[in-house]
Amino acid sequence: EPEVTQTPSHQVTQMGQEVILRCVPISNHLYFYWYRQILGQKVEFLVSFYNNEISEKSEIFDDQFSVERPDGSNFTLKIRSTKLEDSAMYFCASRRDRSTGELFFGEGSRLTVL
Amino acid sequence: GNSVTQMEGPVTLSEEAFLTINCTYTATGYPSLFWYVQYPGEGLQLLLKATKADDKGSNKGFEATYRKETTSFHLEKGSVQVSDSAVYFCALTDTGTASKLTFGTGTRLQVTL
Repeated sequence: EPEVTQTPSHQVTQMGQEVILRCVPISNHLYFYWYRQILGQKVEFLVSFYNNEISEKSEIFDDQFSVERPDGSNFTLKIRSTKLEDSAMYFCASRRDRSTGELFFGEGSRLTVL
Repeated sequence: GNSVTQMEGPVTLSEEAFLTINCTYTATGYPSLFWYVQYPGEGLQLLLKATKADDKGSNKGFEATYRKETTSFHLEKGSVQVSDSAVYFCALTDTGTASKLTFGTGTRLQVTL
């Protein structure tokens, strides 16, 4: 069964460092998303991406964040200068099209900022 | 804006007990409603969904009915198992371009023998 894959599963970084989280969505999907979940809190929407551009972003997704689909298969989330409060589980998700409601999620990348 | 409110956890039940996890929502338009489950150490998996009023989603013995009049989508299971221990998230999609999911805070279920 096709699945969304994410790497790394866990990354530890120092405050101020750049981090790139990688995702490979399901191959025939067109809509891509990043969510995050701070430990013990709700899953929060960060950004959606369609047709090689951002469709929507939340207030959390400030200038420190960027997304890219560099090669038609990977979908990356970059945090330019990490802060302690960026420590969270980051989930990538994809959807085939707008008519199907289901988002398929990856297993997440845990980011720990020290 | 859209929001989802779930009952606080954790919920602790004995095996074979009846489960209800309450979920209510606020949304404009006609959202689709979902329950996602997160097993320990894993990502989010779709458990069930309903796309219009009075629809009932069901999967693995879990059910939820889309109630527009009470803006609710309560999750139920008649007889829980230890393997159902997980965090359950109620969610909705709006009718925006990318139809992002808005999640509730999640409810942790612990089932004991």
